[in-house]
Amino acid sequence: GAVVSQHPSWVICKSGTSVKIECRSLDFQATTMFWYRQFPKQSLMLMATSNEGSKATYEQGVEKDKFLINHASLTLSTLTVTSAHPEDSSFYICSATKGVLGNQPQHFGDGTRLSIL
Amino acid sequence: GENVEQHPSTLSVQEGDSAVIKCTYSDSASNYFPWYKQELGKGPQLIIDIRSNVGEKKDQRIAVTLNKTAKHFSLHITETQPEDSAVYFCAASMGSTLTFGKGTMLLVSP
Repeated sequence: GAVVSQHPSWVICKSGTSVKIECRSLDFQATTMFWYRQFPKQSLMLMATSNEGSKATYEQGVEKDKFLINHASLTLSTLTVTSAHPEDSSFYICSATKGVLGNQPQHFGDGTRLSIL
Repeated sequence: GENVEQHPSTLSVQEGDSAVIKCTYSDSASNYFPWYKQELGKGPQLIIDIRSNVGEKKDQRIAVTLNKTAKHFSLHITETQPEDSAVYFCAASMGSTLTFGKGTMLLVSP
């Protein structure tokens, strides 16, 4: 199998606080991890791609100082939403691939629903 | 960049009927095409994928076809069941990055 675990599944916090979301590959080493954002009834929007031990590559329009990504090991990547505001409320989903060749299947976590009050 | 169009946006079928979802892509360099099923409040689950060197792939009730010349690919679900109800996303890739379609909400009525 290829299991990806995401934690927490749901978080509510006050405006101005920072929130950290963890993404773990449980039964494989993830060479690359991806972070997506999904609004209700919409498709997945790629925010950034991260490879273990290197800086994340952010998509155009995504603030790297706002959404801090750390991929410190082959099984863990974290997304920190800094100084969160209500407009940051969304469903955040991570995915991971194994192997170094391109076009490997992406295996997704179950997402984190973030609500900023 | 790549652009993926997906149709229909909503599909309602009776249990036991077949369902077909179609996608087109714009970049002829794309060579990997996965399909994902997303249930409410969950992350997408990979259900089948196909690479550009193959025209068709089947896994039990699910099949995917690819027409590279026309740059379109389709998901076929036979003998649909209520538990097939979900949002289905197609995607295209030529490297590590996936470009997703906008999704199809499939409703299977008992």
